[in-house]
Amino acid sequence: GQQLNQSPQSMFIQEGEDVSMNCTSSSIFNTWLWYKQDPGEGPVLLIALYKAGELTSNGRLTAQFGITRKDSFLNISASIPSDVGIYFCATKTQGAQKLVFGQGTRLTINP
Amino acid sequence: DGGITQSPKYLFRKEGQNVTLSCEQNLNHDAMYWYRQDPGQGLRLIYYSQIVNDFQKGDIAEGYSVSREKKESFPLTVTSAQKNPTAFYLCASSIDKREFLYNEQFFGPGTRLTVL
Repeated sequence: GQQLNQSPQSMFIQEGEDVSMNCTSSSIFNTWLWYKQDPGEGPVLLIALYKAGELTSNGRLTAQFGITRKDSFLNISASIPSDVGIYFCATKTQGAQKLVFGQGTRLTINP
Repeated sequence: DGGITQSPKYLFRKEGQNVTLSCEQNLNHDAMYWYRQDPGQGLRLIYYSQIVNDFQKGDIAEGYSVSREKKESFPLTVTSAQKNPTAFYLCASSIDKREFLYNEQFFGPGTRLTVL
């Protein structure tokens, strides 16, 4: 099946630092989605990307759909304590009914 | 407010008992999904349904069953055949119209099932 490589698996940073994580695959996709999951809760959609090269921001979050359509990254600027959680990338090909999820990046912030 | 509800938040059952997890959505979404999440792991697809009275197996369907009698509801039954049922279960839904390119999935708050 299709595999996504999400990295890093975990990050330990100081409050105020910028964060960068990415997802890569050997397959080409039409959609990249980024979700955040707080402990004990369901994932919440942060950003959706639909075109190669697309760069989209949501507040302090910025995500890009790689030009090769095989990767995507998510950046968080000036991290704050509420950014703590697990971030998942997810993707699908056009017409596919199922999303493929990355394994997640666990973000921990030291105050 | 529109959204996806899952109940209960926490569920405890004895080994060998079947248990049904509830998932309801009022978003008028056609497609619904069930995922399992184990500690420190990603999401694994159990079952999904694109329309009423139809559903397909996901990657880990063994030991689970579903029904889709109404558009709004997609209950998941964890049967006694599921060898490791203790996990966090997440329900999701999406618009999933064929002509719609943008099929983001929206998740419910999850149910944590513990089998004693």
